[in-house]
Amino acid sequence: GAVVSQHPSWVICKSGTSVKIECRSLDFQATTMFWYRQFPKQSLMLMATSNEGSKATYEQGVEKDKFLINHASLTLSTLTVTSAHPEDSSFYICSAGEPGTGAYNEQFFGPGTRLTVL
Amino acid sequence: RKEVEQDPGPFNVPEGATVAFNCTYSNSASQSFFWYRQDCRKEPKLLMSVYSSGNEDGRFTAQLNRASQYISLLIRDSKLSDSATYLCVVSAISSGSARQLTFGSGTQLTVLP
Repeated sequence: GAVVSQHPSWVICKSGTSVKIECRSLDFQATTMFWYRQFPKQSLMLMATSNEGSKATYEQGVEKDKFLINHASLTLSTLTVTSAHPEDSSFYICSAGEPGTGAYNEQFFGPGTRLTVL
Repeated sequence: RKEVEQDPGPFNVPEGATVAFNCTYSNSASQSFFWYRQDCRKEPKLLMSVYSSGNEDGRFTAQLNRASQYISLLIRDSKLSDSATYLCVVSAISSGSARQLTFGSGTQLTVLP
């Protein structure tokens, strides 16, 4: 299957700082990538849909000014958590789908980034 | 009501046992269905897609009932390595043409020696 990478794999930062997470599709082009957040013992919750060359679409309750998404190329989307607070500590995972909109096209997940805000 | 509901478990079963997980979804426009597996502190990985006719992959059998909006996963002859959280996932077209996945909260399985 296709490979999606994320960087960094983990990060610890002080409250008030900004953290940038990168998501790359290594061997395919992705016009759409998805950003999820997972709190302990909970499932993945979609935060936003990242669209190459246009604005991201955010899910209800997700602050677009706090979670900045930039999808500048067909292989890279970035999520910046601005002015991070301890409640932003979570596991952030990105995914990218196989090109096309076939119902059973697979989505490939990055390995995730564990963010801890002190 | 959650869009995708699963029994959270935990299910603790002995090696060799057969275990079944169930899932219901609320969006009748859902078009495709999956079971993912997630190990602790790792990303989810696709276990199998679920088709209307039902499908089998080795020890794993998935069933879909569109009328009841119900999905199941059966694991036969459980192995220790099957211990994980199993996520029921449904997919529908979101705005534009992007296909969006909705995850259930997962069912935790522990296979005991």
